Order: sequence, then structure tokens, then C-alpha cells
Amino acid sequence: GENVEQHPSTLSVQEGDSAVIKCTYSDSASNYFPWYKQELGKGPQLIIDIRSNVGEKKDQRIAVTLNKTAKHFSLHITETQPEDSAVYFCAASLRGNTGFQKLVFGTGTRLLVSP
Amino acid sequence: DSGVTQTPKHLITATGQRVTLRCSPRSGDLSVYWYQQSLDQGLQFLIQYYNGEERAKGNILERFSAQQFPDLHSELNLSSLELGDSALYFCASSAFSGGAGETQYFGPGTRLLVL
Repeated sequence: GENVEQHPSTLSVQEGDSAVIKCTYSDSASNYFPWYKQELGKGPQLIIDIRSNVGEKKDQRIAVTLNKTAKHFSLHITETQPEDSAVYFCAASLRGNTGFQKLVFGTGTRLLVSP
Repeated sequence: DSGVTQTPKHLITATGQRVTLRCSPRSGDLSVYWYQQSLDQGLQFLIQYYNGEERAKGNILERFSAQQFPDLHSELNLSSLELGDSALYFCASSAFSGGAGETQYFGPGTRLLVL
């Protein structure tokens, strides 16, 4: 089936703390997992992605981990800053019946970083 | 700035009307994707075009249609509009056909309000 679950729906942290957002997917054939950040009034912006042949990827304060056996992946943000406040979406690729991928998105996590 | 442009930014119309949303992909990108984002449904994939041809279909209503022109810009046509069609409509583009987990870059969106 096509389903990506994302938790939590809201997350409030203090500046400097870490934030973790978790997603699970249902299709074992999924092989591409991007994370998007959406600020108010803007379109989603890709912040990091991971493919199924990699277990972890890091880019400065942002890291993503993937557990293919358990079918879950997580976004980790360290040393959070107020400008990290936004809605974060995970997504998983799903190969449709035409053979081409489509992205199925999680329901989003609203992250609020307080100074 | 992702390089994907969408017009108009805002659109207000009445039930039963027809509107056209326009998208220009990033320079060189061959695929265009359309998504609908509403408060209760999250980001829903509607349809993908690759180099002028329909490639993949998601939860697109029969009242909605899209096309991609030779210059690769795309239009999403929404007809017989209902109150429930009020949402943000995003266009995204990727370099090729999207078959191997290609990065999708999102535009700023068109906010549609049906009164």
C-alpha cells in the first residue's frame, strides 16, 4: 500500500537542543527518501535525502538515518536555531504501475525552536 | 530559489468556474509534477509529465487535467470548481523521467480559493 506515517505532528524545542522526526513507510520496494522543509508561504525545499543503499547521511547539522528492515527513517537536527522553525515533510518513493517513481509524503511535522 | 516558477501566486474564483495554473520547470528539467496541498490531506501527488507526455498519475480528479508544452512549461486545468478544491497547488520539476529517485524541486505554489 501507499502510506508514509510521520511523527510527531508538532515538536517544540529550545534553541541548541536536538530535534528528531521519524517516518515509517509501507512499501518494501521504496528506495529513495527525501526530506523537505516548508516555511510559511513557500514551497517545500529539499534539505537532505537518502537512498536505500546507504544507512546514514549527514550534512552539517542535519542527518538522516534509514533502517530498511524496519522500514523507517529519521531526520536529526542538532544545535537547533530559530530559523529551523518550519514544517518538515518526509517522503518515500513508490514505483507506480507505469514503472516510474512517485513520492508519497508524510503528513508533516511543525517544528518550533524557541530562543 | 528553486528555479521553478508558478503563476499566479493567488487565485480567487467561484464554484463552477474553470482556472488554469501555470508552471515553468528549472532550466533543463524534463519532468514536471503537480501536487495539491490541503490542510487535511497533506501533499498529494496529482500527475507527472515527462518531455511532453503523461508519465504517472496519482489522485487526480476527472475535473482536473494537465499538459506539458514543447517548451516544457506545464499547465494544470481545474474545472467545475468546488469549495473543496481550495488548496495550495505546487509544481515540481526533475531532470529526467523520475525513474531512479530523482530530486524534485518545488515551486512557490499557487493558492486557490474557491468561494
